[in-house]
Amino acid sequence: KAGVTQTPRYLIKTRGQQVTLSCSPISGHRSVSWYQQTPGQGLQFLFEYFSETQRNKGNFPGRFSGRQFSNSRSEMNVSTLELGDSALYLCASSLLTGASSGANVLTFGAGSRLTVL
Amino acid sequence: AQSVTQLDSHVSVSEGTPVLLRCNYSSSYSPSLFWYVQHPNKGLQLLLKYTSAATLVKGINGFEAEFKKSETSFHLTKPSAHMSDAAEYFCVVSGTSGTYKYIFGTGTRLKVLA
Repeated sequence: KAGVTQTPRYLIKTRGQQVTLSCSPISGHRSVSWYQQTPGQGLQFLFEYFSETQRNKGNFPGRFSGRQFSNSRSEMNVSTLELGDSALYLCASSLLTGASSGANVLTFGAGSRLTVL
Repeated sequence: AQSVTQLDSHVSVSEGTPVLLRCNYSSSYSPSLFWYVQHPNKGLQLLLKYTSAATLVKGINGFEAEFKKSETSFHLTKPSAHMSDAAEYFCVVSGTSGTYKYIFGTGTRLKVLA
């Protein structure tokens, strides 16, 4: 069974540019969530999608957006990049069958490491 | 509201000695608790999870954790550290309040000395 696939693994951008990251969940998983990981702030929740609907959103500016397609694949976009957006962006998928599914396990991808110059 | 506190940001142990990584949680509901491990430049891998079935949970690679409601703790232990255990460990709490949300601890970096 294939795991969670994130592309690209590494990318370098300059300030002001935008970037799109992709996440393919485990087959059958309908929930995809995104996290930003930095040395200073640790792991921070960005947003979560379930059946193409954003159900939860973290405390990030509107420059950070995402979407989920009918095949459960998800993309996140960051516009007008800033130096502080340099981070490892992690995607996780889960089987989640309902709203009260905290016991479902998150399976993470290897991440996309973004460097903003 | 839920929160999780990892009490040590760094832990160093010698190879072959026990490992203890401490985690305290706060939750208004019956929590689900998880430990994840992250090796350098990798994603997070599930070590074990607690979902109220048994208070002592066994995970992969010889790790286990005990849920103690009276102490609101979920400490991770391993009897004998291996060099390959060197990594960052995250304690995670999730509730059953009706909304899907996982709260991550700030992580504990484990160093294993030869």
